[in-house]
Amino acid sequence: GNSVTQMEGPVTLSEEAFLTINCTYTATGYPSLFWYVQYPGEGLQLLLKATKADDKGSNKGFEATYRKETTSFHLEKGSVQVSDSAVYFCALSVQADKLIFGTGTRLQVFP
Amino acid sequence: KAGVTQTPRYLIKTRGQQVTLSCSPISGHRSVSWYQQTPGQGLQFLFEYFSETQRNKGNFPGRFSGRQFSNSRSEMNVSTLELGDSALYLCASSPRADLAEKLFFGSGTQLSVL
Repeated sequence: GNSVTQMEGPVTLSEEAFLTINCTYTATGYPSLFWYVQYPGEGLQLLLKATKADDKGSNKGFEATYRKETTSFHLEKGSVQVSDSAVYFCALSVQADKLIFGTGTRLQVFP
Repeated sequence: KAGVTQTPRYLIKTRGQQVTLSCSPISGHRSVSWYQQTPGQGLQFLFEYFSETQRNKGNFPGRFSGRQFSNSRSEMNVSTLELGDSALYLCASSPRADLAEKLFFGSGTQLSVL
């Protein structure tokens, strides 16, 4: 079946550090891949997406590249801020079907 | 434009009771999906409704049910509550049924079962 695996958290970083959150997937067919972010007390917001292999999604300094050969969609940011502290979810959708999420990775950024 | 509105924000129930959660989608959105979020399992898909019809269903027992009204508002019901039903229940709306990338989430209803 279709599934998403994310690295365990929490990820704890100092401000301006480089961020990587790993995400790998298993899917039949050709999935679209997403990163969602959940700030404390809020619902999920779409952060970025990629719909085909080698596409790079980017938003607010975050980037992720759809790697079909490694079935990965790792999230990166060159310099994190305290305001980036949140829970990040990797997700996939096959043929516009329901979103399947990973378990989430909590990011804590300290000044 | 108002976002997805979920009520109530918090609920406390005891085992065996039933509960109804409400979701008002963004104006013009006809698809509503429900997810259960727990620390251990992450987000698990419950069901999706489009134009008052259940389009998709996750792997949850029959105690979990939902419906959608003609104005696209949706409710989900959980009967005979169990301790393990304690979770954040998230609703998401989309303009169409086949637009996973256009999902907008509400802030959720935090259900605690004692």
